[in-house]
Amino acid sequence: AAGVIQSPRHLIKEKRETATLKCYPIPRHDTVYWYQQGPGQDPQFLISFYEKMQSDKGSIPDRFSAQQFSDYHSELNMSSLELGDSALYFCASSSRLAGFFEQYFGPGTRLTVT
Amino acid sequence: DQQVKQNSPSLSVQEGRISILNCDYTNSMFDYFLWYKKYPAEGPTFLISISSIKDKNEDGRFTVFLNKSAKHLSLHIVPSQPGDSAVYFCAARADRGSTLGRLYFGRGTQLTVWP
Repeated sequence: AAGVIQSPRHLIKEKRETATLKCYPIPRHDTVYWYQQGPGQDPQFLISFYEKMQSDKGSIPDRFSAQQFSDYHSELNMSSLELGDSALYFCASSSRLAGFFEQYFGPGTRLTVT
Repeated sequence: DQQVKQNSPSLSVQEGRISILNCDYTNSMFDYFLWYKKYPAEGPTFLISISSIKDKNEDGRFTVFLNKSAKHLSLHIVPSQPGDSAVYFCAARADRGSTLGRLYFGRGTQLTVWP
């Protein structure tokens, strides 16, 4: 079965640079979530989109922005990168028809800021 | 403020025995609970879930128990197999207005099943 796809899998950036992470949800899933997991930490919710509209916002820095496109894929844009942004970034998708109950995660993008 | 807590960072169990992973939560608005398994270099994989209107859900070797009064849930794996060795995350969600399913995670428990 098709899963959530994230690209790139690994990304190395320098401080103050920008980064763009992409997420392709499971086909027919209409909701996308972004989570950040720091070293030894639990995944923290950043932001979510339902039908291309922002549906919820968590602890996402103002330097970050995200959107969901007409094909339901999503991009997380990160500017003025800081060392503390180094983390695993997960995208998950779910379906309104399924009640949004289960979220299915992608393999993550490991961002390293040097 | 950690609303979902997994107080045991690690658990070691012999193959064939029962593994019990525990999770506590503080937010009484949580109405749905999930367990995820995570291998290194992979994303969390959905394992099993339970609604707050139930106290038990079973799927093969995996059973989740929910004790709402104690704000506690547990995942039982019987029998445990070496392939179950992974980090297990407990997660919860509360549907409030437009939150549409934001998950709150515990910090995970590393399960090691030895032969």
